[in-house]
Amino acid sequence: EVQLVQSGAEVKKPGESLKISCKGSGYSFTNYWIGWVREMPGKGLEWMGIFHPGDSETRYSPSFQGQVTISADKSITTAYLQWNSLKASDTAMYFCARVRAASGPDGGWVGMDVWGQGTTVTVSS
Amino acid sequence: AIQMTQSPSSLSASVGDRVTITCRASQYIRYDLGWYQQKPGKAPELLISAASTLQSGVPSRFSGSGSRTDFTLTISSLQPEDFATYYCLQDYNYPWTFGQGTKVEIK
Repeated sequence: EVQLVQSGAEVKKPGESLKISCKGSGYSFTNYWIGWVREMPGKGLEWMGIFHPGDSETRYSPSFQGQVTISADKSITTAYLQWNSLKASDTAMYFCARVRAASGPDGGWVGMDVWGQGTTVTVSS
Repeated sequence: AIQMTQSPSSLSASVGDRVTITCRASQYIRYDLGWYQQKPGKAPELLISAASTLQSGVPSRFSGSGSRTDFTLTISSLQPEDFATYYCLQDYNYPWTFGQGTKVEIK
């Protein structure tokens, strides 16, 4: 079974660092991208960026560039989302998702086809 | 960044109704659009990719259409399990961008 399992809920103080994880299984981890999506309380979904574990290519949304770091350790098929200094405004649910590229000549993407269960991050003093 | 404008932001419908949700891109995105369903407290689920390709396991009452800038998600006969929030996502250009969501509620 293809699945992504995320790390558990976190409660942190402003200024602290944090790294949450997303472990992939049941598929070839280095052949697919991993994306991250934020859902703030009562708000919609925001695309944060994607990362390719095979070659470490990364694309960030400008809204998150410099605010977070996306990475992965392919030896343990785990992707990460990291903050160096959390803010209260980082309080949200964070989802990872497998991203499938289309195989045809026209390129493009199939979409975010397998999702983790989400990790709640609460930042409060 | 490409702006995705979804409408309506919410709707009330009855079981058996035909429901249509639209998404308009601020610029050309070919057919590079997906539709996602999200239930409260759960992860989103991919319903349709490339504007009209139904994902495996997704009921055939869901369909997608459109290209260039205008896209539609249709639920032909709304079922109780379809009450959820629906999002479009363009993956034509970075940064990928979601629509603001459409909440489908029980009438």
